Amino acid sequence: DAGVIQSPRHEVTEMGQEVTLRCKPISGHDYLFWYRQTMMRGLELLIYFNNNVPIDDSGMPEDRFSAKMPNASFSTLKIQPSEPRDSAVYFCASSFSTNSPLHFGNGTRLTVT
Amino acid sequence: DAKTTQPNSMESNEEEPVHLPCNHSTISGTDYIHWYRQLPSQGPEYVIHGLTSNVNNRMASLAIAEDRKSSTLILHRATLRDAAVYYCIPSGGYQKVTFGTGTKLQVIP
Repeated sequence: DAGVIQSPRHEVTEMGQEVTLRCKPISGHDYLFWYRQTMMRGLELLIYFNNNVPIDDSGMPEDRFSAKMPNASFSTLKIQPSEPRDSAVYFCASSFSTNSPLHFGNGTRLTVT
Repeated sequence: DAKTTQPNSMESNEEEPVHLPCNHSTISGTDYIHWYRQLPSQGPEYVIHGLTSNVNNRMASLAIAEDRKSSTLILHRATLRDAAVYYCIPSGGYQKVTFGTGTKLQVIP
């Protein structure tokens, strides 16, 4: 079991650039979640998918953020254009079903200068 | 979501038991109590969960008060690897897991 795989581990970009974060969930998991963690706001749920379909995106900060899940083994979180306040650690998590624990990746640390 | 109260930080000596408390007085009757922990520079890690009865697994034990308004995560022998932030999360479903500020556990050698 390789766990949830996120890439890149670190991303440094300039304000205004497009940023794409990637996630490969654990095989067989039907739920995928994107979280953001900052010192000020802690861990926040941005969006989650069930069977590749977005279920709740109420946590997405604004239209600059978008997430897709084109198939069961891949998801992206895109920020366009990026701003310094987007700097955070972004986590992807997956779970087998409604009553299964969340399995988190090791996150992508994003720095926007 | 139920409001939770956890100590900001706790200390424990290595190889001693640790009791991490959590108050969740507004928990609903169907909410499970989940515990996760986050080691430095890692994503959160599931520890344990329960509804009414006390629960044990290889990582920890969870003691739930009879009125369900509080719970305690018990690490039977703390190791240095247990130094982490521990989150107590009452939730109606895993999809609704909302993380608070947690308790930062320091383990002293």
